[in-house]
Amino acid sequence: GAGVSQTPSNKVTEKGKYVELRCDPISGHTALYWYRQSLGQGPEFLIYFQGTGAADDSGLPNDRFFAVRPEGSVSTLKIQRTERGDSAMYLCASSLYRGTNTGELFFGEGSRLTVL
Amino acid sequence: SQQGEEDPQALSIQEGENATMNCSYKTSINNLQWYRQNSGRGLVHLILIRSNEREKHSGRLRVTLDTSKKSSSLLITASRAADTASYFCATPAGGTSYGKLTFGQGTILTVHP
Repeated sequence: GAGVSQTPSNKVTEKGKYVELRCDPISGHTALYWYRQSLGQGPEFLIYFQGTGAADDSGLPNDRFFAVRPEGSVSTLKIQRTERGDSAMYLCASSLYRGTNTGELFFGEGSRLTVL
Repeated sequence: SQQGEEDPQALSIQEGENATMNCSYKTSINNLQWYRQNSGRGLVHLILIRSNEREKHSGRLRVTLDTSKKSSSLLITASRAADTASYFCATPAGGTSYGKLTFGQGTILTVHP
């Protein structure tokens, strides 16, 4: 597609439920990133994929969070046993090259997650 | 405090005025980026400045980088109501060379018509 697509745009769930957030990057972009943004804060890095593999998952807050990118394109961020503190905007970004010196990140519009 | 802190936290100006936002960071970097975010939307890349550059222009945007002071500034000239948004600076985290960025809290810019 023309840009990074994220679905759903809004998700309201109850505490303890399982949630999946999907990201469809720009075609041909090999690098994909997930960030989380709380209200009034800047985005915080969660995980980076280069191709199919998670090259850096150091930002995932705990083992309830998991992400996959099985075919090197679409990625899914999975959150188990959601907690109210997981409420945030989840942003996906992609880039054509591996290094930031070669260009910028292209962000999607985000998935707003609300845990009641 | 975190890498990439913007100041001021909020800025309110009239259309036609210039807006200046500042960013400070703590560790050595090889580049610094500025992003814009409209309320409730995703981030849009504005400009990237490399550590060996001191100033860069893009349209009405002017970015400076002072590596000796570990600071950068973003100047928007002749502002428009459509420039109303949050502006973030971002630096590579922990010496990484990929898109693992550390963002500041941002500057909320309001441009009144």
